[in-house]
Amino acid sequence: TQLLEQSPQFLSIQEGENLTVYCNSSSVFSSLQWYRQEPGEGPVLLVTVVTGGEVKKLKRLTFQFGDARKDSSLHITAAQPGDTGLYLCAGARAAGNKLTFGGGTRVLVKP
Amino acid sequence: GAVVSQHPSRVICKSGTSVKIECRSLDFQATTMFWYRQFPKQSLMLMATSNEGSKATYEQGVEKDKFLINHASLTLSTLTVTSAHPEDSSFYICSARDMGETQYFGPGTRLLVL
Repeated sequence: TQLLEQSPQFLSIQEGENLTVYCNSSSVFSSLQWYRQEPGEGPVLLVTVVTGGEVKKLKRLTFQFGDARKDSSLHITAAQPGDTGLYLCAGARAAGNKLTFGGGTRVLVKP
Repeated sequence: GAVVSQHPSRVICKSGTSVKIECRSLDFQATTMFWYRQFPKQSLMLMATSNEGSKATYEQGVEKDKFLINHASLTLSTLTVTSAHPEDSSFYICSARDMGETQYFGPGTRLLVL
């Protein structure tokens, strides 16, 4: 059982549609990060959230950290083929701690 | 953003040989670096935490004598896969943590053991 559960595992949508990826845990995290990874490359950091209830926007991407700091979501508006990739959430239980990764959500945006 | 490099980007070796992978933080100092392993279509699995000037901390189930880690400077950590076997074939990714607690990932090294 993973400490961080991501859902769905795979998402295939048409260009222009919206999508939401969820990252859930029964544990509290001091910070949570979202990454996007393309095949054959390392993960690229999208955002870090640290405050319960925090919402951050990055162009068409909206990230939310749950009030209890146990869950997070990533919402993409009007998805484009360039959004295709593996989205990973990762949390740290305390400052200075190692990251625990979720299982990942593979997103495919078809033109 | 901060840049982390890995070398080589891909390597093919014969079974029984050893392979060294370098991880460098190019524009910041990292007292802590991490080594991950990723199988196809799966998430990252932490192998070990590399601390500058001290012994690495290995995750449960990771053999420290097989995966040797050296972190001799604030910008370089190396992972040596000793006596590699086909089951060691994987995508190895390092990350380096800056003073602000953010981890920046390298581009990964694909290892194929024949």
